[in-house]
Amino acid sequence: DTAVSQTPKYLVTQMGNDKSIKCEQNLGHDTMYWYKQDSKKFLKIMFSYNNKELIINETVPNRFSPKSPDKAHLNLHINSLELGDSAVYFCASSPREIGVRRGELFFGEGSRLTVL
Amino acid sequence: AQSVTQLGSHVSVSEGALVLLRCNYSSSVPPYLFWYVQYPNQGLQLLLKYTTGATLVKGINGFEAEFKKSETSFHLTKPSAHMSDAAEYFCAVSDLNRGKLIFGQGTELSVKP
Repeated sequence: DTAVSQTPKYLVTQMGNDKSIKCEQNLGHDTMYWYKQDSKKFLKIMFSYNNKELIINETVPNRFSPKSPDKAHLNLHINSLELGDSAVYFCASSPREIGVRRGELFFGEGSRLTVL
Repeated sequence: AQSVTQLGSHVSVSEGALVLLRCNYSSSVPPYLFWYVQYPNQGLQLLLKYTTGATLVKGINGFEAEFKKSETSFHLTKPSAHMSDAAEYFCAVSDLNRGKLIFGQGTELSVKP
């Protein structure tokens, strides 16, 4: 039973399209995150939600919109996709924000987005 | 603001040799430091962490790291590399004020037979 699961695992699409990535965690955690990993493997946080409330919103274009229908789910919707959006997007969760203190981040396997 | 720098984007060792992956941090407060490992096509998983207390911390798969405040370092070591250790390794520091982990740029470890 996968703890943090993301779908789809691979996504290939054209510039200008809109796409969504879904994330679900069955760990009972309160806090969920989206990280972006670029082609050089650099990991940067995009958003975090604590119990459905947005708490971190890094300098991400507003074409990216996270949505948390409940604390077990955090989806990422991307409008008007651009070439530079090609990356691997990781969802993660932690018991609470304080879980970050102990490095208790549990990552999904990633969703590789390729924009053509 | 906290940050981490990993020295060397790629390290190659022979099987059985010592593994040393370098990480230096910058923090205005006592840091919480972590090493994560990413195997091919997988997410990251926590390898080990330093929060408080003993400066030499042991993790999974025989890895350990030592927190050295005077050198602002948190290098990762393993006495004897195994082929299965080939992966990407990330050092991270906790930004306690903002509730997030800040990752280094990663070091790819290759293990030669």
